[in-house]
Amino acid sequence: QVQLVESGGGVVQPGGSLRLSCAASGFTFSTYGMHWVRQAPGKGLEWVAFIRYDGSNKYYADSVKGRFTISRDNSKNTLYVQMNSLRPEDTAVYFCAKDLTNTWYPYYMDVWGKGTTVTVSS
Amino acid sequence: QSALTQPPSVSGSPGQSVTISCTGTSSDVGAYNRVSWYQQPPGTAPKFMIYDVTIRPSGVPDRFSGSKSGNTASLTIAGLQAEDEADYYCSSYTTSTTVVFGGGTKLTVL
Repeated sequence: QVQLVESGGGVVQPGGSLRLSCAASGFTFSTYGMHWVRQAPGKGLEWVAFIRYDGSNKYYADSVKGRFTISRDNSKNTLYVQMNSLRPEDTAVYFCAKDLTNTWYPYYMDVWGKGTTVTVSS
Repeated sequence: QSALTQPPSVSGSPGQSVTISCTGTSSDVGAYNRVSWYQQPPGTAPKFMIYDVTIRPSGVPDRFSGSKSGNTASLTIAGLQAEDEADYYCSSYTTSTTVVFGGGTKLTVL
């Protein structure tokens, strides 16, 4: 079945860096766009970033632009997000999600992982 | 990009219908028919419920329906069941090539 499994979360100090991974299985990873979405404790969902199926186009929320970099390795069926200059407000559960379509743009998240927790604190 | 506006909470008794609104702007909800809805029971990942304003993915009960008028989209749940109790989020594609979510609505089944 279609499955997404995130890893790499943990506790990091403000200003630090962390790289999250998302292992995909059960579908042809290389033909779908992928998203990162986060949810701060007790808060709503916030879209973070999207990468096109071939990695050629990437889009970011203003809140992370210039600090986060989304990437993918289609040979390993894995999605990544490199998070630099982390702030306390980046504390959240980070979900990876598959886009419904193979278009160029970020539209819908039809399959979600269970998430990995990132805590930014000194 | 500001979050779409949803009511913080709605409630209804089993068998009743409830509607959750989602108000955006001419740069998101009003610009395209790229509105979706997600259901999130406590402590779980979101579940994809509606896309392209009105389309239900396979496996989603037809008690769930979506609509849109201008800058406001709506999710209606008919014949409420206890298992529908969850947080619901709308989202929209935007003219900035990003996605914006609503603040979320907590549905309580009385």
